[in-house]
Amino acid sequence: EPEVTQTPSHQVTQMGQEVILRCVPISNHLYFYWYRQILGQKVEFLVSFYNNEISEKSEIFDDQFSVERPDGSNFTLKIRSTKLEDSAMYFCASKNNRVFQETQYFGPGTRLLVL
Amino acid sequence: GNSVTQMEGPVTLSEEAFLTINCTYTATGYPSLFWYVQYPGEGLQLLLKATKADDKGSNKGFEATYRKETTSFHLEKGSVQVSDSAVYFCALSVIQGAQKLVFGQGTRLTINP
Repeated sequence: EPEVTQTPSHQVTQMGQEVILRCVPISNHLYFYWYRQILGQKVEFLVSFYNNEISEKSEIFDDQFSVERPDGSNFTLKIRSTKLEDSAMYFCASKNNRVFQETQYFGPGTRLLVL
Repeated sequence: GNSVTQMEGPVTLSEEAFLTINCTYTATGYPSLFWYVQYPGEGLQLLLKATKADDKGSNKGFEATYRKETTSFHLEKGSVQVSDSAVYFCALSVIQGAQKLVFGQGTRLTINP
């Protein structure tokens, strides 16, 4: 069964450093999402991406964040200058059409720790 | 705005006990409702969903009914197993915008043998 994959599974970085989190969505999917979960808190929407552009972003997704689909298979989330409060589990998700009842499929997540 | 409220956890039950995890929502329009499960060390997996009022989603012995009158989508299972130990997330999606998922806070379930 096709699945969403994410790398790395864990990342430790120093405050102020740039990190890139990578995702490979399911191959025929067209809509891509990033969510995050700070330890002990809710899973929160960060950004959605369709047709090579951001379709919606949350207020969390400030200028320090960017997303890219560089090669038609990978979907990346970049944090330019990490802060302590960026420590969280980051989930990528994808779905294959615009129907809102359609299931989003999630990757296993990347646990980011900013020191 | 759109929001989901789940019962506080953690929940600890014995094997073969009856499970209910409460979920209520607030949404504009008519959302689709989902239960996702996260097993230890894994990502979020869809457990079941319901897309309109009075629909019942079911999977692996779990059920949830979309109740518009009470804005609820409670998760139930008649006889839980140790392997059901996980974190359960209730979520909704609406037609506007990017159809992002709005999650509840998650309920950690532990089943003891």
